[in-house]
Amino acid sequence: EAQVTQNPRYLITVTGKKLTVTCSQNMNHEYMSWYRQDPGLGLRQIYYSMNVEVTDKGDVPEGYKVSRKEKRNFPLILESPSPNQTSLYFCASRPGGGWNQPQHFGDGTRLSIL
Amino acid sequence: GIQVEQSPPDLILQEGANSTLRCNFSDSVNNLQWFHQNPWGQLINLFYIPSGTKQNGRLSATTVATERYSLLYISSSQTTDSGVYFCAVGNAGGTSYGKLTFGQGTILTVHP
Repeated sequence: EAQVTQNPRYLITVTGKKLTVTCSQNMNHEYMSWYRQDPGLGLRQIYYSMNVEVTDKGDVPEGYKVSRKEKRNFPLILESPSPNQTSLYFCASRPGGGWNQPQHFGDGTRLSIL
Repeated sequence: GIQVEQSPPDLILQEGANSTLRCNFSDSVNNLQWFHQNPWGQLINLFYIPSGTKQNGRLSATTVATERYSLLYISSSQTTDSGVYFCAVGNAGGTSYGKLTFGQGTILTVHP
């Protein structure tokens, strides 16, 4: 089954404790992206990757890191999480070639930073 | 960066009613998409529509790029249409090709 898989689905942690949210897709998609969703703000793009070893900042990259060492994986790293990073996070992927190709979204990861 | 504003923020309908959701954006775009987030949080692409009109069943969308707005029409609404509808835009150029900016969404509730 074609899918984007995020782990964990839920996490409660404390300020300053490094964490990684994994994202994996099995569709051989070139493009992957991370978004956060907060009430009243819609989704905001954190980072995206056009292909392996190519990453770029979205609108809210501060406090986050990503890597794209292989096509299928695009982990989101919070080196020193803070309470303002409490949010619902989505990973997405799509084929290369343009936005006429639909994005496939993961089921989301709900992070609570205390 | 580009600004995206959606209206109305909330919409409550009776099943069978029609509705129009609007998306205004502050700059020229060559990418505009509509998404639906169902009550369980799942996000689904509805339309890729940087210009013109498209239809898919009871849903249709129109983008007037020169006037910087897009409309999503839902006809004969059903309870399964409930959720949040997002508009998202991008203007490709140089290294910004992969950027996507979302509006704040319209929360739609359809009552039986």
